[in-house]
Amino acid sequence: QKEVEQNSGPLSVPEGAIASLNCTYSDRVSQSFFWYRQYSGKSPELIMSIYSNGDKEDGRFTAQLNKASQYVSLLIRDSQPSDSATYLCAVYGNKLVFGAGTILRVKS
Amino acid sequence: GAGVSQSPSNKVTEKGKDVELRCDPISGHTALYWYRQSLGQGLEFLIYFQGNSAPDKSGLPSDRFSAERTGGSVSTLTIQRTQQEDSAVYLCASSFFQGSNQPQHFGDGTRLSIL
Repeated sequence: QKEVEQNSGPLSVPEGAIASLNCTYSDRVSQSFFWYRQYSGKSPELIMSIYSNGDKEDGRFTAQLNKASQYVSLLIRDSQPSDSATYLCAVYGNKLVFGAGTILRVKS
Repeated sequence: GAGVSQSPSNKVTEKGKDVELRCDPISGHTALYWYRQSLGQGLEFLIYFQGNSAPDKSGLPSDRFSAERTGGSVSTLTIQRTQQEDSAVYLCASSFFQGSNQPQHFGDGTRLSIL
């Protein structure tokens, strides 16, 4: 079992819709959770961090964490074509471990 | 500059040659990380530094790979006797210190191509 798992996608959503990206992790003592966005040919860019159970909102982005279920998600409201990218989930147990990423495509 | 700076941005070299990749972290960041990303793949952890010491070298794929950091700032990743499977994007990241609540910030990477 991989330490951090994401559906590779692609996840296709129409412009204006909500995109929901999911991530599960295996290390129960994980403490910190991050979402990175990576455009093709570019480096990962941090977009959200979350440390406690519940929701954290930042603009159109909402991160959700459920430690009991070992699950973290990222919601993107009012999706735009510029949101099309690969989204990497990263989980910190005793080191930061990245998932392989989910490709998101927002169609106009 | 304000961000993590890596050089060169692209490197093409022949199989068997040695290469050096450089990373200059964000000013004030004491932790520095090297990752490798192959085409269409996730990030593969290589090594991290806290100051000048490297507590975790577990990700280095072979003894052809080495890294050093001097002065608590710039780091170099050296690959000796390069092989075609070393072709990838090498990413460097830094954070204030190595800890659970410290997000890592990435440079633009070095795209390495071994002919």
